[in-house]
Order: sequence, then structure tokens, then C-alpha cells
Amino acid sequence: SQTIHQWPATLVQPVGSPLSLECTVEGTSNPNLYWYRQAAGRGLQLLFYSVGIGQISSEVPQNLSASRPQDRQFILSSKKLLLSDSGFYLCAWSVPRRAKNIQYFGAGTRLSVL
Amino acid sequence: GENVEQHPSTLSVQEGDSAVIKCTYSDSASNYFPWYKQELGKGPQLIIDIRSNVGEKKDQRIAVTLNKTAKHFSLHITETQPEDSAVYFCAASRLTGGGNKLTFGTGTQLKVEL
Repeated sequence: SQTIHQWPATLVQPVGSPLSLECTVEGTSNPNLYWYRQAAGRGLQLLFYSVGIGQISSEVPQNLSASRPQDRQFILSSKKLLLSDSGFYLCAWSVPRRAKNIQYFGAGTRLSVL
Repeated sequence: GENVEQHPSTLSVQEGDSAVIKCTYSDSASNYFPWYKQELGKGPQLIIDIRSNVGEKKDQRIAVTLNKTAKHFSLHITETQPEDSAVYFCAASRLTGGGNKLTFGTGTQLKVEL
């Protein structure tokens, strides 16, 4: 069966520090991968998505970047965190070219930038 | 791009009553509409979905209806139970070959009171 792992679960970082959040998927090949941010009381904002190794599409201009160094690994990074980067970050995957676009989410990372 | 609006933002019902959450979308080319349930501190999970060639779909106490002409769709939960308390998100998508992005609504906090 397929599983998605996301870590760390919680993270407290000072303003100006770097960030690296990792997401890995098991049990499937060549998945579509996604990074979302969920601000308190708001919906899910798509930040990045990837359809293959090294292929990253950015949805919104921001202080963050994403990379996909391996087929089932998706990394969210920042060189210098801002206060506004605080939020709940979710990684998700889906099976490409299917009749349905079901996305499976990880448990999320709660990031607090102080 | 697609824009999804969701109402209400909060909904409180008595146990056993029905709950209805409504969403509208802007892109007439969207043809896939899932609903996700997010429990506290967890990632969202798919609970039901509908494609544009169907007007209604039921799964036990949960149903979704779609009006393509008006571009709106709704989630209906009957005989609500305390475990139904969560945040519910609607989403819309075009079932295309690449990316398969979902545009989410802003969420509805459902509280089922005893």
C-alpha cells in the first residue's frame, strides 16, 4: 500500500533562518507531488507541484522553493524565513493520468517563525 | 484560473440533524469535484467525489450534488454524529494529463453538538 511521510511534525524557527521540509512517498512510482500551505482559518493554498524528477511548477511568488531530487522525494526550502511563512504545510501525492484526481495528504508540518 | 467559494465558514448542528455545505466554482471546464475532511492536526482525507457527468452521488450518510449550469455543488451529511466534527473542504479540478491541480475552497468548520 502507498504511504506518505512528512517531517518534522512541528518546527519553530527564528526569522532569517533556513528551512527544509521533507516529504517522501512509498509504494508508488512517478507520482505527482504537491506542497500546500494552510494559514490559520483559511483554505489550502497550492505552493508547488511536480510531475517528475527535477520538474517543479510554482503557483505563487514567495520566499520558498521546492525540489524533487528523487522520484518519491519532495523538499520545501527557504534560505531566509519570514514571519509570514508561519503556517501548516502539507505534502500530497496523486497518481497521474487517472480518471480521478485523488490527492493523498501527509500529516503536515506546523511551522512557527518567531 | 479557477476560483472556488465555500459557505458557510462555520456550521453548528445538533447530533442527528443534517448539515449542508455549499460551493461555487468559476471555471466551466472543471469536471471533477472532491470533498475532503480534515480532523484537527491531520492532513485532509477524501470522503466523496463527483464527476461532471453525474448529478448526484451518495455514500451512506454522505451525498454530493452538482449543478453544472449554475456551477455549484453541495455536500450533504445526514444523521450527523460527533465524529463528523471537522473542517470540510470542497475542491474543483480539470482532469487533464499534467499536474492535475485541485483548487480548494476556504473550508467549513462543522461542529456537531450533543
